[in-house]
This record gives sequence, C-alpha cells and structure tokens, in this order.
Amino acid sequence: EDQVTQSPEALRLQEGESSSLNCSYTVSGLRGLFWYRQDPGKGPEFLFTLYSAGEEKEKERLKATLTKKESFLHITAPKPEDSATYLCAVQAVGGSYIPTFGRGTSLIVHP
Amino acid sequence: DAGITQSPRHKVTETGTPVTLRCHQTENHRYMYWYRQDPGHGLRLIHYSYGVKDTDKGEVSDGYSVSRSKTEDFLLTLESATSSQTSVYFCAISDSDRANTEAFFGQGTRLTVV
Repeated sequence: EDQVTQSPEALRLQEGESSSLNCSYTVSGLRGLFWYRQDPGKGPEFLFTLYSAGEEKEKERLKATLTKKESFLHITAPKPEDSATYLCAVQAVGGSYIPTFGRGTSLIVHP
Repeated sequence: DAGITQSPRHKVTETGTPVTLRCHQTENHRYMYWYRQDPGHGLRLIHYSYGVKDTDKGEVSDGYSVSRSKTEDFLLTLESATSSQTSVYFCAISDSDRANTEAFFGQGTRLTVV
C-alpha cells in the first residue's frame, strides 16, 4: 500500500527565515511525486512534479528535491503570502493514475 | 486554471436525505476523482472514474455512489446522508495521455449534514 508522510504538521516562520518541509513515501514504484499548495477555502493548486531521484524543480522561493525515499520542499526567504498548507502526493507505476496524498504541512509566515 | 466546476459550493442537508454533488470539466481529461478532506485525515479518495461509465471505489467509498455518463460530468451521490459525511468534497481531474499526469482540483463543496 502506498504511503505518504509529511512533516512537520505545522510550521511557523518569521519572514525571511528559510526552512524545509519533508515528504517521505513508500511506494512499489514511483511514477511521479507532486507538490501542491492549498489556501484556506480553496482546492489544492499544483506546484511541481518530480519523477526521479536527484531531480529538482524551482518556482520563485520554492525548490523541490527528490530522493528515493523522500522529497523536500525548500522555502527560501519566505514571505507572508507563502502561508498555506503544502500537500505532497505520489503516483505509483503500473496502470492506476490515482495520486495518494499526505496530510499536509500547514505553514504560517509571520511578517 | 484547469476548467473544473463543482456545484453546489455549499450545502446543508438533513440526515437521511439523498444528496448529489456535481463535477464538470472542460478539459476532456480521462480521469476524474472525488476526494473528501477532513481535519487530521487529509485528502481521502472516495471514488474515481477512468472513462465514461467506468468507475471504481476508493478507500472511503461506503455510503457513496458515483456516475459518469459523459466525459465532462462526474456525479457523487450520498444515498442517505449521515453526520459523518459532513466534510469538504473535492473533485479532481487528470489526463493519462500526456507525459505529465498531475491532478487538477476544483474549488470544493462544503457539505454539512444536520
């Protein structure tokens, strides 16, 4: 059974204080790992897809990396508008395209 | 933004009544999903569809049924609503025919069963 564990559950940062969110996963074979951002009252918004260990993707202050067992979402010099819940999901090889989600990390960035 | 519309956005219903939520897409994607999101549980898959009239159960399918008679529409029905089905429901779509198969989400339906 595919499993995704995100840590920490919640993270409070000061504006400009860089940090990382973790997503560890167990899957028979990884087809893709996805990061989403979710604002209160809205649906998850797609950020990145990572396919193989060593791959990195960047978007503004966010950088996602992937190893064989986990992914990190690095947030550099965060701003209050980066406050959101960040979700990680994995997709396994072999037929089904169903993503399995972690429970998310709630990030609050204080000005 | 992916063309996904959920309706209604908010609904309050009484225990024991049937409820149908609708998801409409304009992207012609093959896969459609219904998730529920609850505090402490994250997103949990209820049912999904991989084509017209092709559906299957997810991890929390009890008390729910789905139908997909057209590519663009995926309906979720609570046959007899219970208070445990109070939740936020999200529809998602993905396309298996592209290199990237990330899912795109609707804005959600907040359902309260009283």
